[in-house]
Amino acid sequence: AQSVTQLGSHVSVSEGALVLLRCNYSSSVPPYLFWYVQYPNQGLQLLLKYTSAATLVKGINGFEAEFKKSETSFHLTKPSAHMSDAAEYFCAVSTLGGSEKLVFGKGTKLTVNP
Amino acid sequence: GAVVSQHPSRVICKSGTSVKIECRSLDFQATTMFWYRQFPKKSLMLMATSNEGSKATYEQGVEKDKFLINHASLTLSTLTVTSAHPEDSSFYICSARVASGDQETQYFGPGTRLLVL
Repeated sequence: AQSVTQLGSHVSVSEGALVLLRCNYSSSVPPYLFWYVQYPNQGLQLLLKYTSAATLVKGINGFEAEFKKSETSFHLTKPSAHMSDAAEYFCAVSTLGGSEKLVFGKGTKLTVNP
Repeated sequence: GAVVSQHPSRVICKSGTSVKIECRSLDFQATTMFWYRQFPKKSLMLMATSNEGSKATYEQGVEKDKFLINHASLTLSTLTVTSAHPEDSSFYICSARVASGDQETQYFGPGTRLLVL
């Protein structure tokens, strides 16, 4: 069975500050990992995904995430937060490249303060 | 990128009525679509996997007679909430699988907010 734990249901940063959203996973097989963003009353948009290639994955909007097998982590970072980054972020795991069932974490709401 | 649409975006209905939600892949064909439910301030829970031309596969605890799924074509899947009750009020999101070598992934629709009075 697979699971995802997102540490911190709410994260608040100042505009221009580093964004760090934490995600730890559990999987009995090599995982595929994803970060999605959800703006209010909207669906999910794929930020980036890890599919066993490079461990450092770059996504859209300046976000990146690093897969660390030894720590079973896939934390999402962005060097400098923008007001437009305020949203809900979901980490997800799958056994295949995203074509099969995604198991989501509970989400982290990011607030960006001016 | 791949675009998935949902219709309607918002629906309010009376208790006991049925509501149909459509999920369309606009610029690609999707043999597999997924239906998720999201409760307020909660994560997404997979309800069922919809396969074109065959019966949907429901997750444990999801009533298949309550949530009817039809995937009649490669670009359309529908979710019908039958005899809706207030506890069915939720945000329903579909996704469609894009298969392209090792670039398989899911693209999500914008969601449908259902309110049952």
